[in-house]
Amino acid sequence: DAGVIQSPRHEVTEMGQEVTLRCKPISGHDYLFWYRQTMMRGLELLIYFNNNVPIDDSGMPEDRFSAKMPNASFSTLKIQPSEPRDSAVYFCASSSRGGDEQFFGPGTRLTVL
Amino acid sequence: AQRVTQPEKLLSVFKGAPVELKCNYSYSGSPELFWYVQYSRQRLQLLLRHISRESIKGFTADLNKGETSFHLKKPFAQEEDSAMYYCALGNTPLVFGKGTRLSVIA
Repeated sequence: DAGVIQSPRHEVTEMGQEVTLRCKPISGHDYLFWYRQTMMRGLELLIYFNNNVPIDDSGMPEDRFSAKMPNASFSTLKIQPSEPRDSAVYFCASSSRGGDEQFFGPGTRLTVL
Repeated sequence: AQRVTQPEKLLSVFKGAPVELKCNYSYSGSPELFWYVQYSRQRLQLLLRHISRESIKGFTADLNKGETSFHLKKPFAQEEDSAMYYCALGNTPLVFGKGTRLSVIA
């Protein structure tokens, strides 16, 4: 398996634009997690899914953020409209069990100008 | 509430010196604990987990239930150990600490 795949790896956009981040989890993993990492706040869990169903989205900062998982092999995190304070590295991770090892993707480095 | 505390944001040591990265947890059940490492601009990856009781890249960590700690240790630090280290508690989802940045000085 190629591991968790994220795209794009880098995204530079202007304030107000819509941003869509994509993630392909490891095949067979039932859990998918979205994280945001910044220097100031460290690693923050935004939302996680179990069997494609969102379980906890309490970490999503605002209504501008939304996440979907239409099937077991694909998830998106959308920011609309984007703001400069959304600039961060966004990681996707997957695991076979909820409390087990999480496998992280390479991250998407988002810069909002 | 489940919580993981890493008291040091930054730890600087000289090459060849011993390293100890501290991790304390609060959990009512029988914990499963992990250490993740993130090298510069790379993904987080599992370094070790307490149930495997193995040494990875010279690092070890022992679970001390009495002190609710899972400190990461290495007897002789190397420059390539410079990275961000996260302690995590096995829950759904994993509970991560804030991380400690280790800087090994030549």
